[in-house]
Amino acid sequence: EAAVTQSPRNKVAVTGGKVTLSCNQTNNHNNMYWYRQDTGHGLRLIHYSYGAGSTEKGDIPDGYKASRPSQENFSLILELATPSQTSVYFCASGLGSQNTLYFGAGTRLSVL
Amino acid sequence: GQQVQQSPASLVLQEGENAELQCNFSTSLNSMQWFYQRPGGSLVSLFYNPSGTKHSGRLTSTTVIKERRSSLHISSSQTTDSGTYLCALERGNSGTYQRFGTGTKLQVVP
Repeated sequence: EAAVTQSPRNKVAVTGGKVTLSCNQTNNHNNMYWYRQDTGHGLRLIHYSYGAGSTEKGDIPDGYKASRPSQENFSLILELATPSQTSVYFCASGLGSQNTLYFGAGTRLSVL
Repeated sequence: GQQVQQSPASLVLQEGENAELQCNFSTSLNSMQWFYQRPGGSLVSLFYNPSGTKHSGRLTSTTVIKERRSSLHISSSQTTDSGTYLCALERGNSGTYQRFGTGTKLQVVP
C-alpha cells in the first residue's frame, strides 16, 4: 500500500504569515497533487507535479506556491496566509494515467 | 461551470437498503475514479473505471463514456458504509490530473 505522509496534521497561522505544508511519499510515484477541501466545493486542485523540479498550476493556484525538490517530497507554500485559506489540505500521489491516487491524511489549517 | 456533478448531495438509508450514486461530467476524460471518505478522514480509492462495469464486494461501478456518466451502486448497505463518496474524472495527455465532484454524503442508520 502506497504511503503518503503529510505534516503538520494541524496548523494555526496568523494572517500575513508564511505557511509551508509538507508531503512525503515513499512509493516512487511520478505525480503528486495538492488539493483543498471545503464544504460545498469538494476537492479543488491547487498545484500538481509530474516529477522532481516540475510544478503545474491547478484550478485555484492564486495565493499558493509549490515546490518539488525530489521525487519523494512536494510542498505547498502560502507566502502571505489569509483567512480565506482556512481549509483542509490533502496531498496525493500516483503513477500517472490509468493509475489510482493515494491520499495523505490531510492537514487542517486555520488562518486567524 | 462545474465539470463534474454528483447526485444526490446527501442520502439516508436504512441498513440493508441499496443505493445508486450518480456522477455526470460535461467534458472529455481519460477515466473516472470513485473514492470513499470517512467523516474527518482521508480518501480511499474504490474503483478506477475507464469504461464498463466493475465489481468489488457489495459495490459496483459503471461508467458509460458516450453518455458522460458514471454510477456507484451499493447493495445491502451497512452502517459502516456511512461517509462521503466522491467521483473524480481524470484528464490530461502527457501528464494527468483529477477533477472532483462535490460528493454524496451517505448515512446508513440501523
